[in-house]
Amino acid sequence: AQKVTQAQTEISVVEKEDVTLDCVYETRDTTYYLFWYKQPPSGELVFLIRRNSFDEQNEISGRYSWNFQKSTSSFNFTITASQVVDSAVYFCALKGLSNDYKLSFGAGTTVTVRA
Amino acid sequence: EAGVVQSPRYKIIEKKQPVAFWCNPISGHNTLYWYLQNLGQGPELLIRYENEEAVDDSQLPKDRFSAERLKGVDSTLKIQPAELGDSAVYLCASSFNEGGEQYFGPGTRLTVT
Repeated sequence: AQKVTQAQTEISVVEKEDVTLDCVYETRDTTYYLFWYKQPPSGELVFLIRRNSFDEQNEISGRYSWNFQKSTSSFNFTITASQVVDSAVYFCALKGLSNDYKLSFGAGTTVTVRA
Repeated sequence: EAGVVQSPRYKIIEKKQPVAFWCNPISGHNTLYWYLQNLGQGPELLIRYENEEAVDDSQLPKDRFSAERLKGVDSTLKIQPAELGDSAVYLCASSFNEGGEQYFGPGTRLTVT
């Protein structure tokens, strides 16, 4: 079975603060894929990143960075110098063979950035 | 390039009434997904299509839910009859193939009264 846990339900920060979203996953697959999606108030999920289980390199894209640690089954997401436009719900997701490659989503973390 | 289009964006119906949602995927995307998203939760897959074929409908409550993708492009998801517990956001997504990135539409927010 697969499971994604996002322990933080809500995070509120002031603009320009950094914010880190935690994601812990469970899977028995050796090959799997991890994702982060952003869901702004408009409703559609916006794809942010995909990592496969063999690539543990951290990644940075502008103000976004991701820390993948296989040893702790974690795939954390950091927004540096947050902006009001970053306010959204962020979902971590997992896909693997044991779940027929269906996307299993966490419950999401609501990020509110105050001006 | 146009994204995934869904309509309507919002729908309010009384229980026991039928309702239908429409989805137009990104051009060229062979795989289409319907998800259910309850308030405060992540999306859950209802059904996946590869072209016209429903290859995974194990999570679709078939007593009241049905879906079709007749020409392998647009898709319709129907609920008949709707129940109060069906109030949720119904998301459509598409990908070039099963392993490709999924792109989501804005969803249809259904309220059953």
